Amino acid sequence: NAGVTQTPKFRILKIGQSMTLQCTQDMNHNYMYWYRQDPGMGLKLIYYSVGAGITDKGEVPNGYNVSRSTTEDFPLRLELAAPSQTSVYFCASSYARGVYEQYFGPGTRLTVT
Amino acid sequence: DAKTTQPTSMDCAEGRAANLPCNHSTISGNEYVYWYRQIHSQGPQYIIHGLKNNETNEMASLIITEDRKSSTLILPHATLRDTAVYYCIVRVASRDDKIIFGKGTRLHILP
Repeated sequence: NAGVTQTPKFRILKIGQSMTLQCTQDMNHNYMYWYRQDPGMGLKLIYYSVGAGITDKGEVPNGYNVSRSTTEDFPLRLELAAPSQTSVYFCASSYARGVYEQYFGPGTRLTVT
Repeated sequence: DAKTTQPTSMDCAEGRAANLPCNHSTISGNEYVYWYRQIHSQGPQYIIHGLKNNETNEMASLIITEDRKSSTLILPHATLRDTAVYYCIVRVASRDDKIIFGKGTRLHILP
């Protein structure tokens, strides 16, 4: 199993541009999550999904959108990028909620200038 | 979720046991203790979790005090690859929305 994969690894955006961060997992996990991590800080949840067709907001959803059309994929869309969105973005998945651990991807480092 | 307190940083000699403490004095009866770690520039990695009994797996052991107000993660034979930030997290098992990571303990393994 490849686990959780994310593309791209790095990206530089200009202010106002848009992009989609891709996340795929091959573990047949129902639950998927998007986090951002600012330098020296902990992770903050952006959006999560408990299954195909179901998404919900986390702590910091503004400026982002998600969709979940399949179990495997959970893309994160940035519309009108702003410097405040400069961060490292991690996608994660888990088999079920609560007790079960979350598996994280390697991250996407995004810079908005 | 209950708040946790961890030391900012710790050192441990390679080959020795690394003992990472965590205080969670406001933990409630249905909250689990989780440990994750994050090696530099990588995504967080799950290590272990427990409710009230001590737990052991291939990576580490988790010792939870009888009153559940604190716990210790033990890496039995630390290697240089164990250098990372270690996060102690307390959360209800039924929560499905987020993990609050906090700032964790930066563990340095010394050669």
